[in-house]
Amino acid sequence: DTGVSQDPRHKITKRGQNVTFRCDPISEHNRLYWYRQTLGQGPEFLTYFQNEAQLEKSRLLSDRFSAERPKGSFSTLEIQRTEQGDSAMYLCASSLRTSGRGNEQFFGPGTRLTVL
Amino acid sequence: DQQVKQNSPSLSVQEGRISILNCDYTNSMFDYFLWYKKYPAEGPTFLISISSIKDKNEDGRFTVFLNKSAKHLSLHIVPSQPGDSAVYFCAASRASGNTGGFKTIFGAGTRLFVKA
Repeated sequence: DTGVSQDPRHKITKRGQNVTFRCDPISEHNRLYWYRQTLGQGPEFLTYFQNEAQLEKSRLLSDRFSAERPKGSFSTLEIQRTEQGDSAMYLCASSLRTSGRGNEQFFGPGTRLTVL
Repeated sequence: DQQVKQNSPSLSVQEGRISILNCDYTNSMFDYFLWYKKYPAEGPTFLISISSIKDKNEDGRFTVFLNKSAKHLSLHIVPSQPGDSAVYFCAASRASGNTGGFKTIFGAGTRLFVKA
């Protein structure tokens, strides 16, 4: 399977703990996105990488959130000092610069975070 | 601010009939509009897109119509099949400054039920 993978699929943590999620994009894709989705809402943009460079961050991404994409391959999203409001599905997507279809993105299955 | 709105949370259609999903947007700077389909426990999957310079794009049973003056687009599925039952997200993307990236804004989704 050469799609986007995310690990873990589910994470339950206690408030105040740090968590880290991993995303492995489709290998030839140079763009990588992180989104957050809560119940009844569509994915909300968090941040975007082109290769290893983080080019855009949403104001939703507080200073407790940090994302990296070393070497332009996999990416990690870390949430420090988790709060109950961080409970959501965290989606990763990747795309090719030359998609030609308006930046069609390929999504992973998501990591569901529950903060107790 | 909700730049992309899907005002119908759900839609129920009989198998074989047409499904029409609607979407409104507020920002005239969007370059592309996309529709994604999402099944439970999976990430969204790209379905069809349309450039802002076009008013119609067709792909098999799926057609997207764009009315720029009304800032409205719709997805038509005909004939509808039970396997089309899913959540459909409307999304709009625009080039993000001079970074070469695209920022994508999603609507809240419409859940489609196709009854056999």
